[in-house]
Amino acid sequence: DSGVTQTPKHLITATGQRVTLRCSPRSGDLSVYWYQQSLDQGLQFLIQYYNGEERAKGNILERFSAQQFPDLHSELNLSSLELGDSALYFCASSEGDRAGEKLFFGSGTQLSVL
Amino acid sequence: SQELEQSPQSLIVQEGKNLTINCTSSKTLYGLYWYKQKYGEGLIFLMMLQKGGEEKSHEKITAKLDEKKQQSSLHITASQPSHAGIYLCGADWVAAAGNKLTFGGGTRVLVKP
Repeated sequence: DSGVTQTPKHLITATGQRVTLRCSPRSGDLSVYWYQQSLDQGLQFLIQYYNGEERAKGNILERFSAQQFPDLHSELNLSSLELGDSALYFCASSEGDRAGEKLFFGSGTQLSVL
Repeated sequence: SQELEQSPQSLIVQEGKNLTINCTSSKTLYGLYWYKQKYGEGLIFLMMLQKGGEEKSHEKITAKLDEKKQQSSLHITASQPSHAGIYLCGADWVAAAGNKLTFGGGTRVLVKP
């Protein structure tokens, strides 16, 4: 158990809909990262938050947004969903935002867009 | 990521045999991480290498970092069915924005009993 909690584990929805994925980092970790994993793209970095502020941005679509709340949990919002958004979404956390820190991953949310 | 290439993409090994996975970076590494993923599950941290020539071992898994080549190898000795899964290398690059890892495409390992 990594200590990172993601909910829900599975999500099935239709095209055009909006969903919210939730992540609780390990106790004491200030950084939260979101990754998307698909068969064709592999594991892609989406966005990082550190202590409530956006720290780094990767290949995140404009239809997607995220935030980190004062209690450090984070939510990833996906809107106007398309079939291609079907993927496994991971959250990870680390203690700080320095290079060289180990990332702890949650077990992921499997999103299926039908 | 093409900036971080893993090889092979997949391999099947007989139980008890050794295997090696390579990870090559096109940019200067600050750190190189190895993670293992069981199919459909989260990533489990294996090892992190930061210094050129560094070598770390855990149980039957050994990882090395060749700073000159910007390359790391992961070696499993006497493989067991529990070693099956997807192995991913992740890179921290010098001067990269934020503390984020970029991952290679992964190597799928199947161990035949």
